[in-house]
Amino acid sequence: DAGVTQSPTHLIKTRGQQVTLRCSPKSGHDTVSWYQQALGQGPQFIFQYYEEEERQRGNFPDRFSGHQFPNYSSELNVNALLLGDSALYLCASSWEASSYEQYFGPGTRLTVT
Amino acid sequence: SQQGEEDPQALSIQEGENATMNCSYKTSINNLQWYRQNSGRGLVHLILIRSNEREKHSGRLRVTLDTSKKSSSLLITASRAADTASYFCATDGYSGGGADGLTFGKGTHLIIQP
Repeated sequence: DAGVTQSPTHLIKTRGQQVTLRCSPKSGHDTVSWYQQALGQGPQFIFQYYEEEERQRGNFPDRFSGHQFPNYSSELNVNALLLGDSALYLCASSWEASSYEQYFGPGTRLTVT
Repeated sequence: SQQGEEDPQALSIQEGENATMNCSYKTSINNLQWYRQNSGRGLVHLILIRSNEREKHSGRLRVTLDTSKKSSSLLITASRAADTASYFCATDGYSGGGADGLTFGKGTHLIIQP
């Protein structure tokens, strides 16, 4: 049973560029959440997708957007990258009708230069 | 913004000793969870305690929750070198059901000396 997978593992982009990160949830899970973790900090909630719609959103600007596909996989898009967007981006999946436990992927390390 | 704070920020103990970490949070919660993170990689869920529970055990882990003080503690007994990691508490709010976005603290970095 595959866990949560994310791609790519590492990414280097230039200020002003756009980036797309991808996540496949754990088998049987239908809800995907995205988090940003700056160095030395705890993860911060970006948004959550359920039934292909954004259901909850944290305190992040509109430059951060996402999408969920019918197979429950998800993308995180960040436009007009800033140096401060450099972070580990974590995807977590869960099952809407069940427990509150979230299963995290290994993350994508984004560096903006 | 971070919901809570873990204390201490860093902890170094000898293998075999017990490690205790504390977490404080600010708002009412449904549940509080503890996660472990090794070397900046993905988080691993350790234990969940519901707001109507006061104590929970899982293997070498013991978690307590005091909702009146808005605080929780994680005790790891008989520590091992493999327990070296960062530990985070995470809370979810009263949005009514399902798995909500979690609010994490800044974490406690635990080092187990062999």
